[in-house]
Amino acid sequence: GIQVEQSPPDLILQEGANSTLRCNFSDSVNNLQWFHQNPWGQLINLFYIPSGTKQNGRLSATTVATERYSLLYISSSQTTDSGVYFCALETSGSRLTFGEGTQLTVNP
Amino acid sequence: GAGVSQTPSNKVTEKGKYVELRCDPISGHTALYWYRQSLGQGPEFLIYFQGTGAADDSGLPNDRFFAVRPEGSVSTLKIQRTERGDSAVYLCASSRGHKETQYFGPGTRLLVL
Repeated sequence: GIQVEQSPPDLILQEGANSTLRCNFSDSVNNLQWFHQNPWGQLINLFYIPSGTKQNGRLSATTVATERYSLLYISSSQTTDSGVYFCALETSGSRLTFGEGTQLTVNP
Repeated sequence: GAGVSQTPSNKVTEKGKYVELRCDPISGHTALYWYRQSLGQGPEFLIYFQGTGAADDSGLPNDRFFAVRPEGSVSTLKIQRTERGDSAVYLCASSRGHKETQYFGPGTRLLVL
């Protein structure tokens, strides 16, 4: 099956800093989603982004499908951004295959 | 509804017992998915329903696991003869249709003693 690699596995920031999270994948995909899993375990949709660039407030994402990677940018980070960030890919069918996640800690 | 809901939020059971986990998808969503998440890992696919039928059940780990969606809305994941290794968070998601954004519920935390 498709391989999904996220980096870095862990990231610690001071409040106000910017960061880039990366997702590499091994095969062509029909779709890609970025999620934030908060400390209570809820998976929150950030972006549905099979290709191109999208922005939502302090967050933006870019997927380059031909080169098999996606990037999530977080600017002016806040403590509430802490949690695990997952990218998840849809190949054939509708199942999502998740990466291992990036654990982000934002310190005040 | 406003979002995907799952009940119970927590379930503790003994090895060998039977459990049922319920998922209420977003109103009008025809596609429903079950995933399982172990500690420190990403969710793993179990089964996908389109309407009432299971379109893909290839993620179910063995025949102790079964899921139904009899009226094309609420779904129940059933686990027979639970084992300690079944302990995990069971997540449900729904989407408007095939290959659209999936929205996740809060999960059911299952602990098998």
